[in-house]
Amino acid sequence: KQEVTQIPAALSVPEGENLVLNCSFTDSAIYNLQWFRQDPGKGLTSLLLIQSSQREQTSGRLNASLDKSSGRSTLYIAASQPGDSATYLCAVRLRSQRGTASKLTFGTGTRLQVTL
Amino acid sequence: SQTIHQWPATLVQPVGSPLSLECTVEGTSNPNLYWYRQAAGRGLQLLFYSVGIGQISSEVPQNLSASRPQDRQFILSSKKLLLSDSGFYLCAWSGRDRPYEQYFGPGTRLTVT
Repeated sequence: KQEVTQIPAALSVPEGENLVLNCSFTDSAIYNLQWFRQDPGKGLTSLLLIQSSQREQTSGRLNASLDKSSGRSTLYIAASQPGDSATYLCAVRLRSQRGTASKLTFGTGTRLQVTL
Repeated sequence: SQTIHQWPATLVQPVGSPLSLECTVEGTSNPNLYWYRQAAGRGLQLLFYSVGIGQISSEVPQNLSASRPQDRQFILSSKKLLLSDSGFYLCAWSGRDRPYEQYFGPGTRLTVT
């Protein structure tokens, strides 16, 4: 059974700092990995999706890396801003589940607070 | 563009009462639909998914059921709520051409008292 772990569970940093969020998964036979952002009481917004054949994806100040062999992904946020405050979730889709339905296994998330 | 709606946004229900949460998608046809639950301190757990009208797959045994009466409508139900059903319920959809990308609704906060 795939298990996804995210550390730290919570993180507080001053504005302007660069930071790294970690995600690890137990089954390396993934099809892809996706990072989401969740604001309090809201739904999820997709940030980055990395296919199993890729090593990283970038979008603006965000960079996500994937090391499938070690079962790890990181989300790097450059020059953090108070608006980045949210919970960040990673989710993996197993290769064995490839098909018309996409079943994701989520981590418990990292709650980020960027202070002024 | 595609949009996904969920209602109600919040709900407080007593133990033993019935439940009906609704999710609708606009701007796409024949989507895959998903129901997730996010309990306090836990990650999102997939409850049900559907690849077509009347086709429901359950991921975990539980007190809930799902139905898809129309192509873009997904309903989560219970006949008798339990305290453990409290949580944040999220509906999501993915397209046939890109089934590996899911888009989430705004969620429903359910509190069972």
